[in-house]
Amino acid sequence: GAVVSQHPSRVICKSGTSVKIECRSLDFQATTMFWYRQFPKQSLMLMATSNEGSKATYEQGVEKDKFLINHASLTLSTLTVTSAHPEDSSFYICSAKSDRATETQYFGPGTRLLVL
Amino acid sequence: GQNIDQPTEMTATEGAIVQINCTYQTSGFNGLFWYQQHAGEAPTFLSYNVLDGLEEKGRFSSFLSRSKGYSYLLLKELQMKDSASYLCAVMDSNYQLIWGAGTKLIIKP
Repeated sequence: GAVVSQHPSRVICKSGTSVKIECRSLDFQATTMFWYRQFPKQSLMLMATSNEGSKATYEQGVEKDKFLINHASLTLSTLTVTSAHPEDSSFYICSAKSDRATETQYFGPGTRLLVL
Repeated sequence: GQNIDQPTEMTATEGAIVQINCTYQTSGFNGLFWYQQHAGEAPTFLSYNVLDGLEEKGRFSSFLSRSKGYSYLLLKELQMKDSASYLCAVMDSNYQLIWGAGTKLIIKP
């Protein structure tokens, strides 16, 4: 089956620093990638949708200048949390789908961010 | 390697009961999640099992057997709005989520 990886798996950083999280589709080309945020035992909250080669579409309430998304190729999307603060500590999950016509998303293992 | 298996698609009738199975092989275990995902929407949290047994929550119940690497999601009194994909995910020893491919549930009148 399709595999999506994330790097790093966990990161601890100081308040005010920026953190970049990578999401890669390993064995397929992802025309669309999604970035989610999850709090413990809660539903995934969609942050943004990115299509390769175009600007990401952010969900209401998500600051696009704080959460920078770059979908530079068909296998890589990055999420950069700029000037991270403790309230940004969370579990960030990406997913990818290979075709705009399909609904099936393949999820990454998640990145645990802790901002001190 | 790590692996989660669940059926690709299931069909059931409105008002009936359906059981969606999930088997897993992972390096360590820190709980199993079930999510519901309607087309075009983010997954919605349904349940979290970390101990063996049955957890009931309204029309939905989730069962876990850690010794068998097995879980199921039971949906009762099916409604048309239950048509969705159901995702099984296991958190491994590194607190990473291993996802199943999802089961598409089709409800017929």
